[in-house]
Amino acid sequence: DTAVSQTPKYLVTQMGNDKSIKCEQNLGHDTMYWYKQDSKKFLKIMFSYNNKELIINETVPNRFSPKSPDKAHLNLHINSLELGDSAVYFCASSHRYEQYFGPGTRLTVT
Amino acid sequence: GQQVMQIPQYQHVQEGEDFTTYCNSSTTLSNIQWYKQRPGGHPVFLIQLVKSGEVKKQKRLTFQFGEAKKNSSLHITATQTTDVGTYFCAATNFGNEKLTFGTGTRLTIIP
Repeated sequence: DTAVSQTPKYLVTQMGNDKSIKCEQNLGHDTMYWYKQDSKKFLKIMFSYNNKELIINETVPNRFSPKSPDKAHLNLHINSLELGDSAVYFCASSHRYEQYFGPGTRLTVT
Repeated sequence: GQQVMQIPQYQHVQEGEDFTTYCNSSTTLSNIQWYKQRPGGHPVFLIQLVKSGEVKKQKRLTFQFGEAKKNSSLHITATQTTDVGTYFCAATNFGNEKLTFGTGTRLTIIP
């Protein structure tokens, strides 16, 4: 049973395209997150949702738009992709403090 | 914003040697967590420390939170090949739910 799942696992696309990454958790957690991990392995929070409400919105270009249709899902839509968007994107969820990460989506923009 | 620095950035050790990574913040932390990320994998929660001076052990791993709650360390005794990965500390400030990850220490083991 996968606790936090993401699709797709790999995403290769051209500059200027729009793409979405989906995330689902079956842990019953209230809070979900999106993180970006760059090529140097730095892990930075992008967004956090609690019970479908946005609670953390870091300095992220507005080309990135999260959407939480329900507590168990948090999707990430990216418009007009740029080369610098290439990274691994992790979804995570938490109940109290421990965060459970999904397997990641490796996005490559060419 | 809050920054959490980790040293060293990389560490190569012979199998069986000990390993330590240090995490430092300029501000007092509410708590600190440690995560391990295997190559090609995702971060996995190891432990949380909350109290000043707290020390916790998990088999060969010893975690410590500084008295001033501004630094933390993770020590692995007698490393094994399964310890390979990047170790991250992550911290929250008082009144701020955001978890800020440290820069990570990448551990490689020479068999």
